[in-house]
This record gives sequence, structure tokens and C-alpha cells, in this order.
Amino acid sequence: GQQLNQSPQSMFIQEGEDVSMNCTSSSIFNTWLWYKQDPGEGPVLLIALYKAGELTSNGRLTAQFGITRKDSFLNISASIPSDVGIYFCAGRSGNTPLVFGKGTRLSVIA
Amino acid sequence: KAGVTQTPRYLIKTRGQQVTLSCSPISGHRSVSWYQQTPGQGLQFLFEYFSETQRNKGNFPGRFSGRQFSNSRSEMNVSTLELGDSALYLCASSRDRVDEQFFGPGTRLTVL
Repeated sequence: GQQLNQSPQSMFIQEGEDVSMNCTSSSIFNTWLWYKQDPGEGPVLLIALYKAGELTSNGRLTAQFGITRKDSFLNISASIPSDVGIYFCAGRSGNTPLVFGKGTRLSVIA
Repeated sequence: KAGVTQTPRYLIKTRGQQVTLSCSPISGHRSVSWYQQTPGQGLQFLFEYFSETQRNKGNFPGRFSGRQFSNSRSEMNVSTLELGDSALYLCASSRDRVDEQFFGPGTRLTVL
């Protein structure tokens, strides 16, 4: 099925560094969601975006809904070891099913 | 408020058997979606139920089926299991069809 292009696929960063990841789609979405998944668990919702241009923060996390409605960005500031995991973007338009990116695997080196 | 619960958490079956997985959504949520997650394919949409009716279906064979009950709880069934069905099966609930989805911990199915 359709999937989003999420990049980078993986990142190795030092504790305290900032992180940026993004997702792009060939289709216009009216909802973007960002999730984090730890091993053996289900994805946990981090941020939901519903409006083009919207910028939303959740603690050290900030996400933006691109103005073209075909992309979204997630930034993590001052990373800490517990930020380790796989981050997924997901998008949808109307009542269509959520489409997921393949994930960004984040590793934090203390 | 309790989160999405899925049972069982782990399951081992052999080829040809069938399996039923259960999902209890967050209280007040009426939409339930099911996903299959594998390392190679990522998160793939299976189906969505709302008000006991299937609203969307992913590109999976007819061996995969589901249903939703009047209390919004949902089950999915996989018949004639194949080795390739080994995966983490995730259930997600939302208040209605366009709201953000909250995932359960998943059921890890292993087919031998």
C-alpha cells in the first residue's frame, strides 16, 4: 500500500544534540501524526497536527504541518537517552486510513 | 482513563491453524483500526471499524477478517495461517473516524 517517505532512516546522535526528521507525501493530507515506538510496545502518540502551517510543541518535541500539506517535520531538542526508539509519521485525508512512514530509528550516545 | 488493551500479548501457532485476536478500545472511542507490523513492510493497514461496520479495508487476503461489537470492542481473525503472517498486530482506537488514534501494546503472533 501507499507509504510516506520518512527520513532519515536512522540517526546516531550525542546526548544533548538536537534532532530533525521529516516525512513527505505525494498526496495532500489534512492530518499529520507523529508516534514513538519502543521495542515490544505499540506506538505512542506524540503530536497531532490538523492545520497547514501549524506548529505544535510537546515538551522538547516540536512538529510542523507543512504549508503544502504534503510534508511534516519533527524536531527534538536537547536529546536524552530515553529518546531512543523508532519515530513514525502518519498522515491521512478525511476518512481514509492512516498511512505510515517506515520510521526513523534514533540512537542516543551518552 | 485506561488505554487500549489487546489480548493475548503473545501467541504461537502452526501453519494452517486459525487465530482470533481481541482489542478493547479506550472508553468512549467508537472507531477501531487494525494494523500489521513487520520489519520489512512496516505498519500496514488491515481494516477499520466504526459503529459495528467495516469502513475501510486494506490490501490483505480474505483470510483476514474482523468485526466490532456494540460495546466497540473488536476482534480480528486470521484463518489458514501462513509463515508470513508472523507479525505484531496492533489495534488503535479513536473517538471518531477523523480523530487521532491511540495504539494498544499489540499481539505478537508467531507462526511455525
